[in-house]
Amino acid sequence: DQQVKQNSPSLSVQEGRISILNCDYTNSMFDYFLWYKKYPAEGPTFLISISSIKDKNEDGRFTVFLNKSAKHLSLHIVPSQPGDSAVYFCAASATGGADGLTFGKGTHLIIQP
Amino acid sequence: KAGVTQTPRYLIKTRGQQVTLSCSPISGHRSVSWYQQTPGQGLQFLFEYFSETQRNKGNFPGRFSGRQFSNSRSEMNVSTLELGDSALYLCASSSLVNTEAFFGQGTRLTVV
Repeated sequence: DQQVKQNSPSLSVQEGRISILNCDYTNSMFDYFLWYKKYPAEGPTFLISISSIKDKNEDGRFTVFLNKSAKHLSLHIVPSQPGDSAVYFCAASATGGADGLTFGKGTHLIIQP
Repeated sequence: KAGVTQTPRYLIKTRGQQVTLSCSPISGHRSVSWYQQTPGQGLQFLFEYFSETQRNKGNFPGRFSGRQFSNSRSEMNVSTLELGDSALYLCASSSLVNTEAFFGQGTRLTVV
């Protein structure tokens, strides 16, 4: 049973536009959420996180929104840049921190010039 | 500050053998977690160690084990290797504050 779902395996966005990556979860015990970016042959790189006590967290071009009632979070990247092309993973934990993470299967974001 | 270091980067083993992978966390980080990434299952949590104690464990068979040393370095061991164990094994470290997990580049294990 997949507790963290990223339903779009891939997403294509034009350079300069907004990229919106979505993630749904089923486990109501999850209280901490993170987004990671991964290039081939490299480990995931941490982007941004959000605690369940917040509904929005912003860091530069990256904003994460959390809708607890819908068990849904999204990552917004504005403006999208060519270097943003990568696989993005949504992850969740029930420990209040970044351990024992449950990951989604990832969304491949392609930024087109 | 050096990042998370995993050795070796690549490994080829035969079915039935055992393998040991190593992870050196970021200096000062005491929590080390291990994950398996496969094309079909994505990233799956194996186990987490903190101060030499296993604190958390994922849903993997007992053939997968790990340990952490007093300097926070960690090893994971897979015994009686199966073809399905072929994967990228990732190690992540985090500090006491534990708000981010930093990943190493992984060890690509191929079982033939």
